[in-house]
Amino acid sequence: NAGVTQTPKFQVLKTGQSMTLQCAQDMNHNSMYWYRQDPGMGLRLIYYSASEGTTDKGEVPNGYNVSRLNKREFSLRLESAAPSQTSVYFCASSERRAINYGYTFGSGTRLTVV
Amino acid sequence: QQQVKQSPQSLIVQKGGIPIINCAYENTAFDYFPWYQQFPGKGPALLIAIRPDVSEKKEGRFTISFNKSAKQFSLHIMDSQPGDSATYFCAARGNTPLVFGKGTRLSVIA
Repeated sequence: NAGVTQTPKFQVLKTGQSMTLQCAQDMNHNSMYWYRQDPGMGLRLIYYSASEGTTDKGEVPNGYNVSRLNKREFSLRLESAAPSQTSVYFCASSERRAINYGYTFGSGTRLTVV
Repeated sequence: QQQVKQSPQSLIVQKGGIPIINCAYENTAFDYFPWYQQFPGKGPALLIAIRPDVSEKKEGRFTISFNKSAKQFSLHIMDSQPGDSATYFCAARGNTPLVFGKGTRLSVIA
């Protein structure tokens, strides 16, 4: 029972390089999310997918793209990494609009852009 | 514009004390208010949540107090332990995904 699995756990990129962060959940949740966490800033929503086949921008979408590959998988792509994208990235999933739903988070990807 | 304002940024209490973390919101469409606990190197984990139709909810040593008219809610940790040392986030949701406060780093010292 893995929950939400993120890969990789750590990554160092050079400015301008691209990469994709992977996320998969095994709880049959409809909704998935990507947040970034920066010191003193809390968790800020980058993109989300309310259900398979849909994606929407969050608070800080610039510089990112997402793909909801299927119900289980939701990837985040950085096309041209910038130092401002140095952060810890968390993927989460939830059962959309369930009465007492909560988000289940992965353990995060720590990304450094140099 | 920050949708959920959380205070304090950091908090140090003695073992057995009752730390209190406060959050305030503006959006009256919010209908679900969870608290998350995060240990270093881990993802946030749901701790306790409340809906605006109740004023208080307890789960073990953790209590949420909710004041709908003031648009404020708070987390109390009874008989705090060193193992409670973590970062705590309040959050809120309406028809859109959760928005989070900036977090409170709690240290419980023996």
